[in-house]
Amino acid sequence: KAGVTQTPRYLIKTRGQQVTLSCSPISGHRSVSWYQQTPGQGLQFLFEYFSETQRNKGNFPGRFSGRQFSNSRSEMNVSTLELGDSALYLCASSLSPEPSPGLFFGPGTRLTVL
Amino acid sequence: AQSVTQLGSHVSVSEGALVLLRCNYSSSVPPYLFWYVQYPNQGLQLLLKYTTGATLVKGINGFEAEFKKSETSFHLTKPSAHMSDAAEYFCAVSEGYNQGGKLIFGQGTELSVKP
Repeated sequence: KAGVTQTPRYLIKTRGQQVTLSCSPISGHRSVSWYQQTPGQGLQFLFEYFSETQRNKGNFPGRFSGRQFSNSRSEMNVSTLELGDSALYLCASSLSPEPSPGLFFGPGTRLTVL
Repeated sequence: AQSVTQLGSHVSVSEGALVLLRCNYSSSVPPYLFWYVQYPNQGLQLLLKYTTGATLVKGINGFEAEFKKSETSFHLTKPSAHMSDAAEYFCAVSEGYNQGGKLIFGQGTELSVKP
């Protein structure tokens, strides 16, 4: 079974631009979560989607948004990019919203903001 | 709010030695606990998890962890380190039954293995 895929793997943008990251979950997984990983702040939760509905949201500004499609694929968007948005963005999928199955992570998208 | 503390941002062991990575959590509800490993330029891989039942949990690659409620700990161990174990390890806790996608992570412990 194929794992979580994320595209693109690397991205370079300039301040003020916007960016869209894509995530395809493991087949059969309906829950998708997004995380930001930086050296200073570590791994921080962005949001979680299940059946096209946002179930949970982390403490990030409104510039960060996401959505989930009927095929469970998900996208996240960051508008008006800032230098501090440079990070590894990780997508994770799970069979269900409950914790017991665990999260399965993709390889991430490395975003660099210049 | 729940939190996770990993003692030691860097741990170095010799090949064949015991690996012990420490994790303590704070939780007001029964926790769901996880250990993940991250190799350079990769995502996180689930090593093992504690949800309910047996407190000693076995995972992949010879790792295991024991849930100790009285100590609010979930330390990760491996009897004999291998060079391929060098990576960063993260302990995480779930906020609750309906928040499985929202994990609270520790700051990570980088494991080095010396030949």
